[in-house]
Amino acid sequence: DTEVTQTPKHLVMGMTNKKSLKCEQHMGHRAMYWYKQKAKKPPELMFVYSYEKLSINESVPSRFSPECPNSSLLNLHLHALQPEDSALYLCASSQTPRRGINTIYFGEGSWLTVV
Amino acid sequence: GESVGLHLPTLSVQEGDNSIINCAYSNSASDYFIWYKQESGKGPQFIIDIRSNMDKRQGQRVTVLLNKTVKHLSLQIAATQPGDSAVYFCAENLSGNQFYFGTGTSLTVIP
Repeated sequence: DTEVTQTPKHLVMGMTNKKSLKCEQHMGHRAMYWYKQKAKKPPELMFVYSYEKLSINESVPSRFSPECPNSSLLNLHLHALQPEDSALYLCASSQTPRRGINTIYFGEGSWLTVV
Repeated sequence: GESVGLHLPTLSVQEGDNSIINCAYSNSASDYFIWYKQESGKGPQFIIDIRSNMDKRQGQRVTVLLNKTVKHLSLQIAATQPGDSAVYFCAENLSGNQFYFGTGTSLTVIP
């Protein structure tokens, strides 16, 4: 079983709603990630946090707002989403952001449907 | 059975046969690679990794081969079982903590 926990598992929201996805890990990892995955497609990197600071933003629209309150938690705030944003949102973590020894472990994902 | 990754995203094999799943990665600067298994409705699960200073690594029933000359990875699964049915992705570590995933191959094991 994964040690990266994501909530909620399923979320349905309207285009005017504000909601958040949450992620938690207790492995002492110092890098955390958000990926987006559409059906039958590979995961796409959205954001990376290293030591609680945003280090990579893959040109993600501002309607997605990440937050890392501490080294164990990662949130993704959602506002004014579009139906095409419906996807599986995956959180992941790795021990260190250093290159080459960086196995990333995924949670089970949050299924988001925008109506 | 064998896939060619981008050109054949599905692979069907008989139970007990060996499977070979291929992946072409994009950046010659990538120096760490991971294979993931993703079952329906679940997150990607780590299978095996390899660093660029190696060309082969073996795990339990799985072997990863790396050919840096042609930027190619393969995952070999021995004695494939029905529980191996899933989508398999390779991921390359381009820098620090940037990982990018290949297209994926859907493996179906026929009992």
